[in-house]
Order: sequence, then C-alpha cells, then structure tokens
Amino acid sequence: DGGITQSPKYLFRKEGQNVTLSCEQNLNHDAMYWYRQDPGQGLRLIYYSQIVNDFQKGDIAEGYSVSREKKESFPLTVTSAQKNPTAFYLCATQQGRNSPLHFGNGTRLTVT
Amino acid sequence: QKEVEQDPGPLSVPEGAIVSLNCTYSNSAFQYFMWYRQYSRKGPELLMYTYSSGNKEDGRFTAQVDKSSKYISLFIRDSQPSDSATYLCAMSAKNYGQNFVFGPGTRLSVLP
Repeated sequence: DGGITQSPKYLFRKEGQNVTLSCEQNLNHDAMYWYRQDPGQGLRLIYYSQIVNDFQKGDIAEGYSVSREKKESFPLTVTSAQKNPTAFYLCATQQGRNSPLHFGNGTRLTVT
Repeated sequence: QKEVEQDPGPLSVPEGAIVSLNCTYSNSAFQYFMWYRQYSRKGPELLMYTYSSGNKEDGRFTAQVDKSSKYISLFIRDSQPSDSATYLCAMSAKNYGQNFVFGPGTRLSVLP
C-alpha cells in the first residue's frame, strides 16, 4: 500500500478472455514482482522484473505475461491459457537487496 | 515436506493475551526472515524483518529466529481486536524477492 497501487480491486471475466491487472508504484524501486495467493497456500511467484525492459518467469508463469516498459509500471496479463485464473493477485516491490518486499492491496480476479 | 510450514489456525485468543505464531522450515540456507500481517482483502503489511538468528522487538511485537531448530516465532503482547488478521511468515537464503518463500499464513482472531 502507500506507494503501490493495484487496480482494479475486483475484476470479473468470462472464461476465454484475456485480462490485464495494473500495478503502479511511486517508490522508485527497481524490482517489481507478481504473486498469486490461493487459500491455504503460500504466495507463489508469477513473474518478476529487476530493471526496465527486462523480466523473468517465476514458479508459475504459464498462462501469464508481463511487460516492464516504465520503472513505475508492471502490468500482468492473465491469458485464456491460464487453467485456473481465479485468485488474489499481489504486486510487490523491493528497494534493493537486503530489504523486504512491499505489497500493494491486490486484485481479486474471478473468472466464470 | 513443504519448504515452510505454518499452522493455518484459526487461532482465537481473548483480548490482552500473549499470542505466539510460529513457522518451521527445512532449508538451512535461509537467513532473511519476515513476518507480514494481512487483513482480509488487503495486501500483506510488513511487521518484522530480521537477518540470521536472534530476537528483534518493535512495540508489542517480538520476532525470534532459532536457526539451529529451523524455527521462527512472532510474539504479540497485549493483543487487541485490531490484531485479528492472517499472519504470513516469509524467508529467503538470498534476499532477492524471487527467492522469498512464504508460509500459508495463520489466521488470528482476538476476541474482545
């Protein structure tokens, strides 16, 4: 929260549609991350980016895509290839090594 | 065996009680340890961040790390109803966000 804005808070989509989740930060942090949170499971890393115009797959990248054209922005697209997209999605930033993650307030995506 | 284990609760305590929340882990290389508090439909908020073993205190919160037992704890003194939330532990061997491993969280209810 504070300097990390995720929008929208709630998102509803039909199966087969792509959807893009927004994450914007004004903390001037280089590193940005997307996590997925499901009940009873720890946060799972989808994609991360250490610098502009570069990003890496996390543990569960299949069915997702990202871009990092600006330092402040790291949008996540959930594609129709993602088999179970309904979840709570969290964006995080990190100031640098030896610092913790800071999280936005998440987007709850429901796909029916 | 999961890399990080955490009792999901729910844990219910009366107001004013001392709360003990715990995580165990299997990777002896972990050396950065964090506790986050997450209110319903919100993002995780950092409570404590510690490096290596020992104790760290911040107000009503105390974090303990016992690397020999691969066990970390968060103590909350004089618990308040506003402490009712899910508490996530997180840890990392190398403090890049892509290396963080999260527990599933313990749901705490502090009853007035």
